[in-house]
Amino acid sequence: AQSVSQHNHHVILSEAASLELGCNYSYGGTVNLFWYVQYPGQHLQLLLKYFSGDPLVKGIKGFEAEFIKSKFSFNLRKPSVQWSDTAEYFCAVQAPYGGATNKLIFGTGTLLAVQP
Amino acid sequence: EAQVTQNPRYLITVTGKKLTVTCSQNMNHEYMSWYRQDPGLGLRQIYYSMNVEVTDKGDVPEGYKVSRKEKRNFPLILESPSPNQTSLYFCASSLRDSFSYNEQFFGPGTRLTVL
Repeated sequence: AQSVSQHNHHVILSEAASLELGCNYSYGGTVNLFWYVQYPGQHLQLLLKYFSGDPLVKGIKGFEAEFIKSKFSFNLRKPSVQWSDTAEYFCAVQAPYGGATNKLIFGTGTLLAVQP
Repeated sequence: EAQVTQNPRYLITVTGKKLTVTCSQNMNHEYMSWYRQDPGLGLRQIYYSMNVEVTDKGDVPEGYKVSRKEKRNFPLILESPSPNQTSLYFCASSLRDSFSYNEQFFGPGTRLTVL
């Protein structure tokens, strides 16, 4: 079965530190990839997405992610985190299979705490 | 404003008491979906709908029902809620069921507690 793995469940950083959150997926074919963020008490917001083209994608709030097809990875990065980046981050994969092509498979999430 | 709305946002109920969580979108989207979010499990799809009167099971459909009588609404029905359905529920919609550029928009979530 298709799956998405986020290896870091909890990450604690100080402000200005660099961030990299890992995401690996198991589907071997063409995929669309997403990172969502959920701030405390709020709903999911799209950070960035990859559909095709340049494997380095830039999103909102200074985040970027790199799609490495050979590694089945889509890691999220930010050079310098801020306290306001404290949130839970979800990687999601969309793969065309089964009855619907629009299904998102989510990772289990990474809780990021940024200390001022 | 384009949005997905859910009601109620918070609900505490007791085992066996039927409830409905409403979801509505104003973007004329064909595809709508329900997810539940549980700690350590991420979001898992409950049901989805590709258009009016077209619904299908997701990964965790047991104990839930849905209907899609109108394009804008996709209610989630718990006929006989149980404590293991205590969770955070999200409704999502997108233009259509398509693998091409097709962002899903999420509602604000409904936190359900079943005692």
